[in-house]
Amino acid sequence: EDKVVQSPLSLVVHEGDTVTLNCSYEVTNFRSLLWYKQEKKAPTFLFMLTSSGIEKKSGRLSSILDKKELFSILNITATQTGDSAVYLCAPAGGTSYGKLTFGQGTILTVHP
Amino acid sequence: NAGVTQTPKFQVLKTGQSMTLQCAQDMNHEYMSWYRQDPGMGLRLIHYSVGAGITDQGEVPNGYNVSRSTTEDFPLRLLSAAPSQTSVYFCASRSGGSATEAFFGQGTRLTVV
Repeated sequence: EDKVVQSPLSLVVHEGDTVTLNCSYEVTNFRSLLWYKQEKKAPTFLFMLTSSGIEKKSGRLSSILDKKELFSILNITATQTGDSAVYLCAPAGGTSYGKLTFGQGTILTVHP
Repeated sequence: NAGVTQTPKFQVLKTGQSMTLQCAQDMNHEYMSWYRQDPGMGLRLIHYSVGAGITDQGEVPNGYNVSRSTTEDFPLRLLSAAPSQTSVYFCASRSGGSATEAFFGQGTRLTVV
């Protein structure tokens, strides 16, 4: 059975702090891993990772994948209150790579 | 470009009633999925499809049926609603291939009383 575990489950920080969110996975026929941000509505796409060791960056957010150890990290530097959200990771795999399984998410709260 | 459209946005059902949540996408995506999200939880996969006529179960399929007769539509049927099915439901679609982004509908908030 596919398994996706995110840690920590929740995190409270102050503006300016740097946070690291973790995602470990075990999925059949793994091919890629996606990160999403969710703020009280549908998730919005952040990153897609397919290769180990290649860091993806978008502003203050960055992410990396380790396919050997089966985990991914999402880093957010200089956090802002607008970063408060649930962060979800989802490895894609299964039949024809069509199965996208989400972790339980990390709830990030950034205080001013 | 409409993307992924879910209807209805809100629904209240009585225990034992049946209903269908609709999901349609206009991006010609091969993959479609249904998720439910409960308070403080991530998205749990109910059913997914890798193409017209092909569906498979996710983590929490019991009490739900799906079919995929066309590429565009992927309805989710609740056979006999139970209070445990109170949740927010999201439909998502992705283009075929091994590394593609998922696009989400706006969600359906379902309450079973």
